[in-house]
Amino acid sequence: DAKTTQPPSMDCAEGRAANLPCNHSTISGNEYVYWYRQIHSQGPQYIIHGLKNNETNEMASLIITEDRKSSTLILPHATLRDTAVYYCIVRVAGNDYKLSFGAGTTVTVRA
Amino acid sequence: EAGVAQSPRYKIIEKRQSVAFWCNPISGHATLYWYQQILGQGPKLLIQFQNNGVVDDSQLPKDRFSAERLKGVDSTLKIQPAKLEDSAVYLCASSRLLGNTEAFFGQGTRLTVV
Repeated sequence: DAKTTQPPSMDCAEGRAANLPCNHSTISGNEYVYWYRQIHSQGPQYIIHGLKNNETNEMASLIITEDRKSSTLILPHATLRDTAVYYCIVRVAGNDYKLSFGAGTTVTVRA
Repeated sequence: EAGVAQSPRYKIIEKRQSVAFWCNPISGHATLYWYQQILGQGPKLLIQFQNNGVVDDSQLPKDRFSAERLKGVDSTLKIQPAKLEDSAVYLCASSRLLGNTEAFFGQGTRLTVV
């Protein structure tokens, strides 16, 4: 699976949009971009995934560049409960659901 | 639907002792994973089951770690004997067999080896 690069940490203000970047310059055509987050003392939680097109769900939006070498996770209105470590992962689709986690980005939402 | 259940939540043992963790995945999920998460790092896959068969155990330290999923439902992970460096959170996750779907994680078991 392709490797990803994320900033180690970032702060954002409560109520504002949080934009989390991820670089995956070696991504292959059949690899998806996944985002998970891990709130303190909990297991990772799925947020969203995408292949080429931008995706949106009730939690977040995922913007993937046209060349697919980077993506941005957008939390539209960050709350204090969004404070967590956010992991950007790329993986090949299929039955083998192996997630390779990096160090992620520690996001702190401040009041 | 009920989530992935793990027990115990916390465990403290002395080095060279043995320990076992239990996981009950979401009903109907054929694929089960055990991850190890050392403090400050992302989770690392130890072993992956599909039903009761092992799909990938390449990162499992087989001299001391073992795992089983006898009836294709719940699973146990054992460490014998434990070392100080085994102190970590052990996470269980499950997912449906087919398709590009998400994995659901339990809260994990925090192991401290002293």
